[in-house]
Order: sequence, then C-alpha cells, then structure tokens
Amino acid sequence: GAVVSQHPSWVICKSGTSVKIECRSLDFQATTMFWYRQFPKQSLMLMATSNEGSKATYEQGVEKDKFLINHASLTLSTLTVTSAHPEDSSFYICSARRTGTFHEQYFGPGTRLTVT
Amino acid sequence: GENVEQHPSTLSVQEGDSAVIKCTYSDSASNYFPWYKQELGKRPQLIIDIRSNVGEKKDQRIAVTLNKTAKHFSLHITETQPEDSAVYFCAEGTFNKFYFGSGTKLNVKP
Repeated sequence: GAVVSQHPSWVICKSGTSVKIECRSLDFQATTMFWYRQFPKQSLMLMATSNEGSKATYEQGVEKDKFLINHASLTLSTLTVTSAHPEDSSFYICSARRTGTFHEQYFGPGTRLTVT
Repeated sequence: GENVEQHPSTLSVQEGDSAVIKCTYSDSASNYFPWYKQELGKRPQLIIDIRSNVGEKKDQRIAVTLNKTAKHFSLHITETQPEDSAVYFCAEGTFNKFYFGSGTKLNVKP
C-alpha cells in the first residue's frame, strides 16, 4: 500500500497560461500532502503544505497567488501554476502522509513542467 | 528546519566498501531525521529514519547516527553494492514537515 500518483507526468505549456497538476493517494487517505519543486540535480524544495479542507501553508518565498493549492478531498490535492513563465519550468513532486500518522511521506512520481 | 547542510555532494566507493554521508542542521526544535534514496528518474524512497530520542538506528546494511548536541546526523552504508548507487537526501524537521539537504550522489563501482 501507500501509492501516490501524479497527473500529468509531463506537460508543456505556453507562457501566460495556467496548468494544473494532480496528486492522488490511491490506497490510503491523506489529510496532509506536500508539494516540492526539484531542479535538475538539486534537492527537493518544500513549496507548501496542503491540508484537506483548509488553506495551504506556503513556505517563505513561495507566491501563493501563483501556485494555487486545493486539497478538496482526503485523496486529492491539486497544484495550479498560474500565468506560467519559463522560470517556472521544473520538476514538481508531491508527497502524501497517511491520515493518523505523523512522519513518513510517500512521494509521487513527479510532473515535469516545461513553459515555452 | 530549512537549514540543513549535506556532505559530500558526490561520493564514489568500491563495491564492498562503506559509505558515509553527513548532515548538519541548526534548528534545535527538529526532532525527526529521515533519509531518502532517489534513483535516476524515480521518486524518493524512505530508507531509514531516526527520532531525536534515539542516538542510533540500524537496518541491515544501513545505519543512522544522531548527535543532537552537535546537531549532526549521518548515514552509514556498509558492504556497498552497485544497486546502492543513487542520490541520497537527508532531511530534518518535525513530524509535521521536514526540509531536505542538497543530496549526495553515491556511485558504487563494481
């Protein structure tokens, strides 16, 4: 168990458009999910903590109006990159924490976003 | 959280040798220290973790040590195998959330 999926796996969009990335916990409920950004050969940078039924908590320096997060159910969190620019091109990866537990995060496979 | 340093950035060892990766942190409130392994093109996978009330934890060929006073923790891999080749990330924080180190690319030469 503890499988996390992301959709799409890769996406190309034009500057100025918005793109939505989905993160799903397939076989468990996740009250809390996390969104990370990973640049090539670099670490995972925590962007925000997504909590089911409440507003996301963003890390310092992350624009909440640019990276909209919605966690409407116990198995789905979405990240919408609004008015995308080439500098938003990156690998976005989510993780989910099983409801009732307090540590292990299960990671999704990631979404490669390219903004042209 | 948010300030964890990881060394070395790359590590090359001969198969069968040991590998050690070290991380230091600054937040005294941190009480959870996981280690993740990420193979090329794959998602990070938890390999071992340690909580602040424990100084050492071992799981077969993998061990983690924690020195809370000095604020550093280390990953030890013994009898390395080619399949251990990957990027390893330390992380530190609380049960609520944690922050990742910069990663160590481990290359185990057969």
